[in-house]
Amino acid sequence: EPEVTQTPSHQVTQMGQEVILRCVPISNHLYFYWYRQILGQKVEFLVSFYNNEISEKSEIFDDQFSVERPDGSNFTLKIRSTKLEDSAMYFCASSEETGLGEKLFFGSGTQLSVL
Amino acid sequence: EDKVVQSPLSLVVHEGDTVTLNCSYEVTNFRSLLWYKQEKKAPTFLFMLTSSGIEKKSGRLSSILDKKELSSILNITATQTGDSAIYLCARGGTYKYIFGTGTRLKVLA
Repeated sequence: EPEVTQTPSHQVTQMGQEVILRCVPISNHLYFYWYRQILGQKVEFLVSFYNNEISEKSEIFDDQFSVERPDGSNFTLKIRSTKLEDSAMYFCASSEETGLGEKLFFGSGTQLSVL
Repeated sequence: EDKVVQSPLSLVVHEGDTVTLNCSYEVTNFRSLLWYKQEKKAPTFLFMLTSSGIEKKSGRLSSILDKKELSSILNITATQTGDSAIYLCARGGTYKYIFGTGTRLKVLA
């Protein structure tokens, strides 16, 4: 079965450093998402991306965050200057369509630890 | 705020019991409601519901949507220890899916 691939599985960084989380969505999917889950808390929407632009973003997705699809297969989330509170599991997801009855496929996540 | 609320927050049962998990939402104009199981890392898909009153079934799990009541339930019959997980529901919108807080289910042998 096709799957969403995320790398790295774990990332440890110092506060203030930049990190890039990488994802390869399922090849025929058109919509891409980033979610995060702080330990013990709910899965929170960050951003959705379609046709090379952001479709919607949450309040969490402020100026320190950015997304990019640099080469037609990868989908990246960049955090410019990490804060302690950015420590979380970050999930990439993709779907064929959005909100039209299509299911969301999740990657296995990147555990980000900011020290 | 656009909320998805799940209840109970946690549940402990014994093997063989039947459980019912609840999900309620606030927005009326949505297109799908999804249920996921989260064990260690990524949520894995269980059901997608788009029409009210039509039950989806997979083995011991079943789910139904009630658009009038803005809610959905997930039933698990004859629970097994392998059913222990966090169960998430998510409301599908235009460009995002909003997740509930989840129900943590623990099934004791």
